[in-house]
Amino acid sequence: SAVISQKPSRDICQRGTSLTIQCQVDSQVTMMFWYRQQPGQSLTLIATANQGSEATYESGFVIDKFPISRPNLTFSTLTVSNMSPEDSSIYLCSVEGGNTEAFFGQGTRLTVV
Amino acid sequence: AQSVTQLGSHVSVSEGALVLLRCNYSSSVPPYLFWYVQYPNQGLQLLLKYTTGATLVKGINGFEAEFKKSETSFHLTKPSAHMSDAAEYFCAVRDGSGYSTLTFGKGTMLLVSP
Repeated sequence: SAVISQKPSRDICQRGTSLTIQCQVDSQVTMMFWYRQQPGQSLTLIATANQGSEATYESGFVIDKFPISRPNLTFSTLTVSNMSPEDSSIYLCSVEGGNTEAFFGQGTRLTVV
Repeated sequence: AQSVTQLGSHVSVSEGALVLLRCNYSSSVPPYLFWYVQYPNQGLQLLLKYTTGATLVKGINGFEAEFKKSETSFHLTKPSAHMSDAAEYFCAVRDGSGYSTLTFGKGTMLLVSP
């Protein structure tokens, strides 16, 4: 299994500002995933981040709003840009295990006011 | 495309009672199936998974689930609920034929009363 650390664990931000979420994994992984969990909803995949290449975004998510960095095989960041109250969600970082399951960080609970 | 349906956004049981959380999936190829649990203010933790082989899989904390292909179901059960089981539970599916992303159900909140 992988141990994933996410920072910050929670934040309250003003609308129009940006927040960068960090994800650190205790082992090298090829792909890292970013999910959004809106209040009372399930997890929705935002994008897949490979080291050394542009992230691949799912339908409905764009790089200008959610820029992602993947500088090495153990670290990634997700930025939520120009935030509005609709961006209030839990953001989760994830990596894949060897047997197809996914491992998740603790999540970042974002409230935009 | 794959999808997951979890019946019931909330399930209430008494401590010691049977827990049954329902999950139905659709997948065009044999699926990999998962149950995750999310405790308050925490991330998701894998409870159990089905990939191939035995259709009854046992997980952590006394939970188990049975893959029923004919019913396209993967219901989660526990014989006797404990107060500490109160959490949100997510069923997820992945295409087992190759790489694909995980698709999650909407989640079921399990409430356990004394």
